[in-house]
Amino acid sequence: GENVEQHPSTLSVQEGDSAVIKCTYSDSASNYFPWYKQELGKRPQLIIDIRSNVGEKKDQRIAVTLNKTAKHFSLHITETQPEDSAVYFCAASIRGNKLVFGAGTILRVKS
Amino acid sequence: EAQVTQNPRYLITVTGKKLTVTCSQNMNHEYMSWYRQDPGLGLRQIYYSMNVEVTDKGDVPEGYKVSRKEKRNFPLILESPSPNQTSLYFCASSLMGGRNTGELFFGEGSRLTVL
Repeated sequence: GENVEQHPSTLSVQEGDSAVIKCTYSDSASNYFPWYKQELGKRPQLIIDIRSNVGEKKDQRIAVTLNKTAKHFSLHITETQPEDSAVYFCAASIRGNKLVFGAGTILRVKS
Repeated sequence: EAQVTQNPRYLITVTGKKLTVTCSQNMNHEYMSWYRQDPGLGLRQIYYSMNVEVTDKGDVPEGYKVSRKEKRNFPLILESPSPNQTSLYFCASSLMGGRNTGELFFGEGSRLTVL
């Protein structure tokens, strides 16, 4: 079936460094790509999203890039801080009416 | 306050004892969905609903039922729970589904243990 692959599964960075998480998707008709952050014991919350008519979107320290040809998109976090430590999920719209999530990336920011 | 409310938040039950997890949203959202979260598997969709009386299977619907009789409520029913349904369940809603889908608002989660 249609799926979304997310890498890496865990990522440790030093405070102040950048972090990059990558996802690939299989449905060429996918048009919506959100990223969710889930802190320990909390619900997932949207941090940034991008639609297929845009190649890049930024919001302060976070950015998302989309390569439709290669069917992959990435989350970039610059100047990481301890409060960025969480699980991050990418997702892609599949067949127009489903949102399929990646398996998640545990990000640890070491101070 | 705009929110998605799930109940119960925690439940321990036994195999075969029917249970319902309720979900309610107060944002007049058309789209609602149930996910289960298991370690290493991310969030997998169980069922979703595009609007009242319109429901469809997600990726892991076996052993679950849903209904959408009213716009605000989307209960998840486990007719005969089994231990492999032990999981963390999230209900979520968004203004619209389909090609105009947008931000999903999640409930706080319901941790279910089936013994």
